[in-house]
Amino acid sequence: NAGVTQTPKFQVLKTGQSMTLQCAQDMNHNSMYWYRQDPGMGLRLIYYSASEGTTDKGEVPNGYNVSRLNKREFSLRLESAAPSQTSVYFCASSEWVGGERAFFGQGTRLTVV
Amino acid sequence: GENVGLHLPTLSVQEGDNSIINCAYSNSASDYFIWYKQESGKGPQFIIDIRSNMDKRQGQRVTVLLNKTVKHLSLQIAATQPGDSAVYFCAEKGQGGKLIFGQGTELSVKP
Repeated sequence: NAGVTQTPKFQVLKTGQSMTLQCAQDMNHNSMYWYRQDPGMGLRLIYYSASEGTTDKGEVPNGYNVSRLNKREFSLRLESAAPSQTSVYFCASSEWVGGERAFFGQGTRLTVV
Repeated sequence: GENVGLHLPTLSVQEGDNSIINCAYSNSASDYFIWYKQESGKGPQFIIDIRSNMDKRQGQRVTVLLNKTVKHLSLQIAATQPGDSAVYFCAEKGQGGKLIFGQGTELSVKP
């Protein structure tokens, strides 16, 4: 049972480049989330998907887009990367819309130079 | 420019001692709270949660206490072990119905 799988684990981008972070869960959860974690700070919600076919903005959505491809997969896209988007990105899934007892992936460490 | 991160609060305990990690939350209307453990280079891992209709909840070696009067949450770890060394995050379910995470506390266990 893999849980929540994120790819890639590490990525370096140049300013202005685009990329998509992939996330897949095998727990049949309805809700999925993307967070970012900056040094010395807690996780901040970027976007979430309460169920297949729906997505909503979180606390810090600017500069990002998401796609809920199917029940298993939820991707995060940076259209034009900026140094301020250097962070560790975590995907999570939960049975509940509120994110209770969410399972997290291992994270993607992104550096924008 | 350089990203200067905040220094996490740190708790250092001796192996075998009990640890208490504290958290203040902001919204008196929050009805759900949760603790996560994050080891270096890994994603957060669920430890224990509690709803606002309870004051205390116990798990295996862990207890969460909720004091709604002063908006305070604590995580107690009994007989702390080196494997407990990690950053611990509390989170509350905020006004938008989503989890809001605290800054985190780094627990260091001395053998």
